[in-house]
Amino acid sequence: KQEVTQIPAALSVPEGENLVLNCSFTDSAIYNLQWFRQDPGKGLTSLLLIQSSQREQTSGRLNASLDKSSGRSTLYIAASQPGDSATYLCAVRPDGATNKLIFGTGTLLAVQP
Amino acid sequence: DGGITQSPKYLFRKEGQNVTLSCEQNLNHDAMYWYRQDPGQGLRLIYYSQIVNDFQKGDIAEGYSVSREKKESFPLTVTSAQKNPTAFYLCASSGQFNQPQHFGDGTRLSIL
Repeated sequence: KQEVTQIPAALSVPEGENLVLNCSFTDSAIYNLQWFRQDPGKGLTSLLLIQSSQREQTSGRLNASLDKSSGRSTLYIAASQPGDSATYLCAVRPDGATNKLIFGTGTLLAVQP
Repeated sequence: DGGITQSPKYLFRKEGQNVTLSCEQNLNHDAMYWYRQDPGQGLRLIYYSQIVNDFQKGDIAEGYSVSREKKESFPLTVTSAQKNPTAFYLCASSGQFNQPQHFGDGTRLSIL
């Protein structure tokens, strides 16, 4: 059974610092992996989607990498800002037949001004 | 503006009562999903539907029911059989294949 873990559960950094969030999954046979952002009391916003054949995706200050063989993905945030404060969730899609996702428990990020 | 609308934002349930959470999308997406989010846990899939008039159980379907009579609507009923319904409920939709899921802003359900 696929399990997704995110470490650390919470992270606090000063503004301007570069940081890395980690996501690990137990079964390397995934279709794709997605990173989401969730603000308090809100829904999820999709940040980056990496197909199983890809190694990384970039959007602005965000870069997500995928290493299927080791069951790991990282989300790199450059030059962090207070507006980046949120919970970041990763989710794996196990197969291509459906768009079912299995979520990690998230990392709560606080960027201090 | 295209998006997903969930209502109400807050909902209270009395013991033994069924309540229905609304989810409407105008993105012309075929697939829709219901998730439950509890503190300290990730999202867990309750039900999903890939086309109209068809839906499948997710990982935690017991105590819940859904219908998909229209492409744009996927209401979730929390029945009295669900003994621990207090949670944040999120609805999502997606086009087929490699499209990412889009989420609504959620409904927070509490017990009176």
